[in-house]
Amino acid sequence: EPEVTQTPSHQVTQMGQEVILRCVPISNHLYFYWYRQILGQKVEFLVSFYNNEISEKSEIFDDQFSVERPDGSNFTLKIRSTKLEDSAMYFCASSPTGNYGYTFGSGTRLTVV
Amino acid sequence: RKEVEQDPGPFNVPEGATVAFNCTYSNSASQSFFWYRQDCRKEPKLLMSVYSSGNEDGRFTAQLNRASQYISLLIRDSKLSDSATYLCVIINDYKLSFGAGTTVTVRA
Repeated sequence: EPEVTQTPSHQVTQMGQEVILRCVPISNHLYFYWYRQILGQKVEFLVSFYNNEISEKSEIFDDQFSVERPDGSNFTLKIRSTKLEDSAMYFCASSPTGNYGYTFGSGTRLTVV
Repeated sequence: RKEVEQDPGPFNVPEGATVAFNCTYSNSASQSFFWYRQDCRKEPKLLMSVYSSGNEDGRFTAQLNRASQYISLLIRDSKLSDSATYLCVIINDYKLSFGAGTTVTVRA
């Protein structure tokens, strides 16, 4: 069964440092997403990406966040200057059409110290 | 009103019991509804879609009530392995919106 792959599974970083979270979506999917889940809270939408551009972003996705699809397979989330409150599980997801068939990666646990 | 609201539980039930819970949604134009399951510190995984006429998948039954804007999940003959958090998920504008989840614990 096709999978969404995320690396690394865990990342510990110091406050103020930049991090890049990586995702390889399912190859024939067209819609890509980043979600995050702070421990004990609900899964929150960050950003959606379609046709090589951001299609929607939430108010969480401020100027310190950016996404890229640099080479047609990877989909990255960059946090420019991490804050303690960025500590969370970050999930990448992809969908063939945006209406069904969402598949989530196993997540990257980001800890900012 | 929150976009998707769920009773957080926890629902603690013995093996073999039936457990049911609801989720309400605020956007009357929502078209697609799902139940996802999330185990501790894992990614959400699709349990089942929810269709207008209601649908079953083994021991799981999902219902949609558009008039009252809620969906429901019923688990029959619950197993220890059903212990998880069940997430109500709605698609609006090509993205998923999640409820906070209902925690179910099945005890031996």
